[in-house]
Amino acid sequence: DTEVTQTPKHLVMGMTNKKSLKCEQHMGHRAMYWYKQKAKKPPELMFVYSYEKLSINESVPSRFSPECPNSSLLNLHLHALQPEDSALYLCASSQERRETYEQYFGPGTRLTVT
Amino acid sequence: GQNIDQPTEMTATEGAIVQINCTYQTSGFNGLFWYQQHAGEAPTFLSYNVLDGLEEKGRFSSFLSRSKGYSYLLLKELQMKDSASYLCANGVYNQGGKLIFGQGTELSVKP
Repeated sequence: DTEVTQTPKHLVMGMTNKKSLKCEQHMGHRAMYWYKQKAKKPPELMFVYSYEKLSINESVPSRFSPECPNSSLLNLHLHALQPEDSALYLCASSQERRETYEQYFGPGTRLTVT
Repeated sequence: GQNIDQPTEMTATEGAIVQINCTYQTSGFNGLFWYQQHAGEAPTFLSYNVLDGLEEKGRFSSFLSRSKGYSYLLLKELQMKDSASYLCANGVYNQGGKLIFGQGTELSVKP
């Protein structure tokens, strides 16, 4: 099983809403990632978790709050977002938190902030 | 810095061969990845090069020259389904797990 799953596929939320994105992998990977991707642009790294601990935060605004409840799950909690936060949010995982390991991406959640 | 450059768009004909180039800054280099991304879908891993030379995987091959800060992805016997964005990504040394992506090359395969 080389699959990373993400829910929901699509999400529309208002600027005052609170919502969460979910990501799951069952490959035994110990590193998990959140990326943001705008149209016609490459993915931009947001957060990296290694062994369920936050390792990298790329200066992401606090309205994005990641959580790693266990080694298979990764959440991204959203609160008070802005319209410019509308994007495709991708989750990925790799065997370890090393730049030499390939990352497996989930299908993404397409987020629209109104 | 980790600037990565690749062409924005390329067009090729079904059955042909196309080469997508990628140049990067060599400082802090620790491997180069190629990913394929179809519109609206997740990026999928194609190849990883950390040593100089050519790695072949079926219709796709990837080449690396560390001294020149240069890589290319070679796609042979092009098929319509190869129309996608191809992303070159640099693994950043000592920042475990961090990938810096190029802007992506949008490849259109025409009949």
